[in-house]
Amino acid sequence: EPEVTQTPSHQVTQMGQEVILRCVPISNHLYFYWYRQILGQKVEFLVSFYNNEISEKSEIFDDQFSVERPDGSNFTLKIRSTKLEDSAMYFCASLGRSSGNTIYFGEGSWLTVV
Amino acid sequence: AQSVTQLDSQVPVFEEAPVELRCNYSSSVSVYLFWYVQYPNQGLQLLLKYLSGSTLVKGINGFEAEFNKSQTSFHLRKPSVHISDTAEYFCAVSRTNSGGSNYKLTFGKGTLLTVNP
Repeated sequence: EPEVTQTPSHQVTQMGQEVILRCVPISNHLYFYWYRQILGQKVEFLVSFYNNEISEKSEIFDDQFSVERPDGSNFTLKIRSTKLEDSAMYFCASLGRSSGNTIYFGEGSWLTVV
Repeated sequence: AQSVTQLDSQVPVFEEAPVELRCNYSSSVSVYLFWYVQYPNQGLQLLLKYLSGSTLVKGINGFEAEFNKSQTSFHLRKPSVHISDTAEYFCAVSRTNSGGSNYKLTFGKGTLLTVNP
């Protein structure tokens, strides 16, 4: 079964450093998402991406965040200057026309900012 | 905007007992409903979904859920749980309008199901 893959699975970074989280969505999917889950809290929507542009973003997705689809397969989330409160699990997800309105999630990238 | 309430943050049960995990939602528009499961140290896996049609939907691993529009609920049930069902369960909704951004999921806070021997 096709799956969304994410790297790294775990990253520790110092406050103020830039972080790039990488995702390979399911190959024929057209809609891409980033969600995050702070420890002990709910899964929160960050951003959706379609047709090479952001289609919607949440209040959390401020100027420190950016997304990119640099080639035909990768979808990245960049945090320019990390803060302690950015520590969370970040999930990439994708949706395709054939996936029956189901968003498929990756296994997550656990980011720890120290 | 949509919101999801999972009333129980933790549900401990014994193996082979039945379980119900409650989910209520609020929305001014029609929605699709989902249950995802997160096993320890893993990602989110779809258990089941309601898009339209029969209000009773069956998912993987013997789980089922019933959509109740009048009560705005989508409770998850399993008649007999196994230890391997121990996981976090998330209820989620999305708008039914077409367009990728409108399929944005709004999650509840999750319910930790712990199955004890």
